[in-house]
Amino acid sequence: GQQLNQSPQSMFIQEGEDVSMNCTSSSIFNTWLWYKQEPGEGPVLLIALYKAGELTSNGRLTAQFGITRKDSFLNISASIPSDVGIYFCAGLFSGSARQLTFGSGTQLTVLP
Amino acid sequence: NAGVTQTPKFQVLKTGQSMTLQCAQDMNHEYMSWYRQDPGMGLRLIHYSVGAGITDQGEVPNGYNVSRSTTEDFPLRLLSAAPSQTSVYFCASIRITSGVGETQYFGPGTRLLVL
Repeated sequence: GQQLNQSPQSMFIQEGEDVSMNCTSSSIFNTWLWYKQEPGEGPVLLIALYKAGELTSNGRLTAQFGITRKDSFLNISASIPSDVGIYFCAGLFSGSARQLTFGSGTQLTVLP
Repeated sequence: NAGVTQTPKFQVLKTGQSMTLQCAQDMNHEYMSWYRQDPGMGLRLIHYSVGAGITDQGEVPNGYNVSRSTTEDFPLRLLSAAPSQTSVYFCASIRITSGVGETQYFGPGTRLLVL
């Protein structure tokens, strides 16, 4: 199955720094979802994007739905230690399966 | 409101054994899905259901069966476990908001090891 290209694969940053990660696809989507997954847990929804060009914030997190509908980015401002985890993008082009296409994840490590 | 719950959290099987992974949601969502997560591959869709009594195959359905007798429950069955089915399994419940879009919520996962 198709996977999204998510980058970077991993990031090591200092506490307080800003973080940016993005996903690109050869296919268009009409929904982009960003999830965070911590060890031993399921993906937790962070932000949902439904319209091309949409920019949405959730606290220190900001995500945008690319105008071409083939990309999305997630920014985290002023990182803190609890931001550690794996961040996944997921794209959806609605059909009967409601199948999400997932990126391979960005492993974020925040150093104190 | 518990959201999406899954049991068991962990399971070890021998090759050829059968088992059922349970999934339940209390959000009254019609759509539910099962995914598996393998290292470096993200999540892949196994089976999905668009409502009670209706199921269909996803991307990687071989070796798995599902049924949906109620809106709340969507069990995943492994009839004869194989080592290739060692993975982490996630159930998802899907909220569709008319005129806006849809969002998928995941359970905590079941970690399965097949020896």
